[in-house]
Amino acid sequence: AQSVAQPEDQVNVAEGNPLTVKCTYSVSGNPYLFWYVQYPNRGLQFLLKYITGDNLVKGSYGFEAEFNKSQTSFHLKKPSALVSDSALYFCAVRDRVDSSYKLIFGSGTRLLVRP
Amino acid sequence: NAGVTQTPKFQVLKTGQSMTLQCAQDMNHEYMSWYRQDPGMGLRLIHYSVGAGITDQGEVPNGYNVSRSTTEDFPLRLLSAAPSQTSVYFCASSYFPGRVGTGELFFGEGSRLTVL
Repeated sequence: AQSVAQPEDQVNVAEGNPLTVKCTYSVSGNPYLFWYVQYPNRGLQFLLKYITGDNLVKGSYGFEAEFNKSQTSFHLKKPSALVSDSALYFCAVRDRVDSSYKLIFGSGTRLLVRP
Repeated sequence: NAGVTQTPKFQVLKTGQSMTLQCAQDMNHEYMSWYRQDPGMGLRLIHYSVGAGITDQGEVPNGYNVSRSTTEDFPLRLLSAAPSQTSVYFCASSYFPGRVGTGELFFGEGSRLTVL
């Protein structure tokens, strides 16, 4: 069964500094990997995904994520954080060989960007 | 194009009452799912469906029923509400991964349920 771990409940960064939100995963086959963002009292919004190809994936709002197969990680990054990036971030995995198409989420990491 | 629409947005129930959370999507997505979100636990999959007439259980199905009579609708039923079902519920849909793109989920705005 697939699983996702987000080891940090909260990440604090100053505006203008780079940010990293960590994610590791476990699947039996090859993964589809996703990052979603949730603003207060809203649903989740898709940020980016890894399917195949380049290990560095670029997404919405200047975010990118690096897929590392040997470390089974998919960390979310941004070169320069904005106060408006403050939100709850979820990593998710779908196993390519799972015919149920289930998407499994991590517990979430709250990002707080200080002015 | 409304996307994924959930109703109601807020609901308060007493223990033992039943209710249905409605979910509709207008994107012709084959896959639909229900998640619950609890603090510190992320999103947990309750039930999902890969097409009309086909449903299956996720990680936390107990106490919930679903049906999928049409492609558009995927209601979630609480048969006898319990305080442990106090949560925020999200409906989400997608294309099959192999059909269009890779099946990223589109989410509704959520339904906040309190069971007293």
